[in-house]
Amino acid sequence: KNEVEQSPQNLTAQEGEFITINCSYSVGISALHWLQQHPGGGIVSLFMLSSGKKKHGRLIATINIQEKHSSLHITASHPRDSAVYICAAKETSGSRLTFGEGTQLTVNP
Amino acid sequence: SAVISQKPSRDICQRGTSLTIQCQVDSQVTMMFWYRQQPGQSLTLIATANQGSEATYESGFVIDKFPISRPNLTFSTLTVSNMSPEDSSIYLCSVGGRAIEQYFGPGTRLTVT
Repeated sequence: KNEVEQSPQNLTAQEGEFITINCSYSVGISALHWLQQHPGGGIVSLFMLSSGKKKHGRLIATINIQEKHSSLHITASHPRDSAVYICAAKETSGSRLTFGEGTQLTVNP
Repeated sequence: SAVISQKPSRDICQRGTSLTIQCQVDSQVTMMFWYRQQPGQSLTLIATANQGSEATYESGFVIDKFPISRPNLTFSTLTVSNMSPEDSSIYLCSVGGRAIEQYFGPGTRLTVT
């Protein structure tokens, strides 16, 4: 069992739909990161969470420390949101990141 | 925030040769990380590079295969030595710390033929 698990692995949506990607982790963490990777390979950090909720534009990230679960929501999805979304847990023991397998999101016009 | 650049952005190399990837950060950082992402896989940490000390390698990665330099607080290199097709991957450098954001470079897409 992976220490960080994401679901779903693949997600196809129509433009405008509300999207949720889930991440569960089993390690003790100091922070949970949500990352976005476009086909070219570059990775952008979307959020770093240690508690509660953060919002940036149409993106919302939440974390429940007790349940060891985080979600990434995209409101009013757009084709340009199509990318791989990766959650990564930063362990309390240091600066190491443990990555989920990623969720491939495709938003169709 | 930190802006990271990598060179080259992509390369096609012949087996048995070596490639050095450069990572430049626009601010001084203590810890730099090198990751590999094999096709269809998530990221795997190769090593952590701290300025002024030897890099710390993860299980399955050795210095002879992936030598790393960290001459100052804004620059690092990763060399992929004696390449084989299995080394075809995206290689990413990253900076971050215990309580700060993690930033990634644009990646180097390597194909070994």
